[in-house]
Amino acid sequence: QLQLQESGPGLVKPSETLSLSCTVSGDSISTSTYYWGWIRQSPGKGLEWIGRIYYSGSTYYNPSLKSRVTISVDTSKNQFSLKLSSVTAADTAVYYCARHANIPSWSGSQYMDVWGKGTTVTVSS
Amino acid sequence: DIQMTQSPSSVSASVGDRVTITCRASQGVNSWLAWYQQKPGKAPELLIYAASSLQSGVPSRFSGSGSGTDFTLTISSLQPEDFATYFCQQVNSFPYTFGQGTKLEIK
Repeated sequence: QLQLQESGPGLVKPSETLSLSCTVSGDSISTSTYYWGWIRQSPGKGLEWIGRIYYSGSTYYNPSLKSRVTISVDTSKNQFSLKLSSVTAADTAVYYCARHANIPSWSGSQYMDVWGKGTTVTVSS
Repeated sequence: DIQMTQSPSSVSASVGDRVTITCRASQGVNSWLAWYQQKPGKAPELLIYAASSLQSGVPSRFSGSGSGTDFTLTISSLQPEDFATYFCQQVNSFPYTFGQGTKLEIK
């Protein structure tokens, strides 16, 4: 059974870089039919899609965060990661990693069909 | 960005009731729309994709309809485990965007 697990610091100082990893178990991250991505949720902004990556390294980011976001993949560890630079209190949120599935397989759109449990990140000095 | 607006923001209902939640997109998204259910402290779970297709394992009392800009999620006969928050999401174009959520509460 596919499982995703987020990990990383729960507290980040303002202006520093938030770094999270998502470990995938139960399937290979290199499976060609899936993308892997990040979503965050805060009381103020609701659910916000951050971006996604293919195992080859191809990425797409939300333009609202693009200047500060990097998503990378490590197929040897079956992990993908999120880095968000220059954080402020507005970046305080629960961060989820999620599998993005092309449904149907020929489509260019992906649905988030498997999610991690989420990890809370607070930006504070 | 495509704005997704759900209504109502909250609704109270009883076990056995039929409930309908609406989602409107600021521009057409064809049928590239999903519905998610989220319970407190948990991650969202995919219920419906492509506006009306039921995700594997989701009870048949859930159904979705619509295309273009107007969509609905219907729960035909509420069960105790259905009290949660529901979100719509468009995946027609980047960036993918979510509605603000509809909280379904017990009357």
